[in-house]
Amino acid sequence: EAGVVQSPRYKIIEKKQPVAFWCNPISGHNTLYWYLQNLGQGPELLIRYENEEAVDDSQLPKDRFSAERLKGVDSTLKIQPAELGDSAVYLCASSLDAQGQNIQYFGAGTRLSVL
Amino acid sequence: GNSVTQMEGPVTLSEEAFLTINCTYTATGYPSLFWYVQYPGEGLQLLLKATKADDKGSNKGFEATYRKETTSFHLEKGSVQVSDSAVYFCALSPFYNQGGKLIFGQGTELSVKP
Repeated sequence: EAGVVQSPRYKIIEKKQPVAFWCNPISGHNTLYWYLQNLGQGPELLIRYENEEAVDDSQLPKDRFSAERLKGVDSTLKIQPAELGDSAVYLCASSLDAQGQNIQYFGAGTRLSVL
Repeated sequence: GNSVTQMEGPVTLSEEAFLTINCTYTATGYPSLFWYVQYPGEGLQLLLKATKADDKGSNKGFEATYRKETTSFHLEKGSVQVSDSAVYFCALSPFYNQGGKLIFGQGTELSVKP
């Protein structure tokens, strides 16, 4: 069974440029998460989707960040414009549903460097 | 609020040494508790979990017991290997209406020397 797939693995951009990250969750997983992981820190939730609906985006900086999950499968996270402080690893995870006991499966992440 | 605190790293051990990584949490109700491991260049992988008090999670020689009285979930392994070198994250999932959201500690880097 394929795991959570993210692309690209690495991205280097100049500040003020736009950037997008893509995630393909495990087949059949209804819940999808985007996390931000700063260097030396644990991941922090940015947004959670139940199927195609964003049900928790309280930590998403909506002035520059946006996300979508078309048809309740793949998801895209976008930053426009990027700032120096956005340099981090962006992780996507999926789970069968949103029950707290369910395991979240993580992708390898996209490492963003903003110059 | 909900939070997780881990012992600071890096932790450096010799092969076959005993490992303990401390984790304590603050949460309302009865959260589920997890240990995730992140090998260099890879995503996080679930190592073990426990969903109620006194449960013991175990996997690949690692163990952790859910201690509600001390709000702890310490990770242990009797004999570490070089291949265990990674960053270990303790995490909790709040009990009610949190949609499976994971709250992570800051991670503890483990380096095992031959």
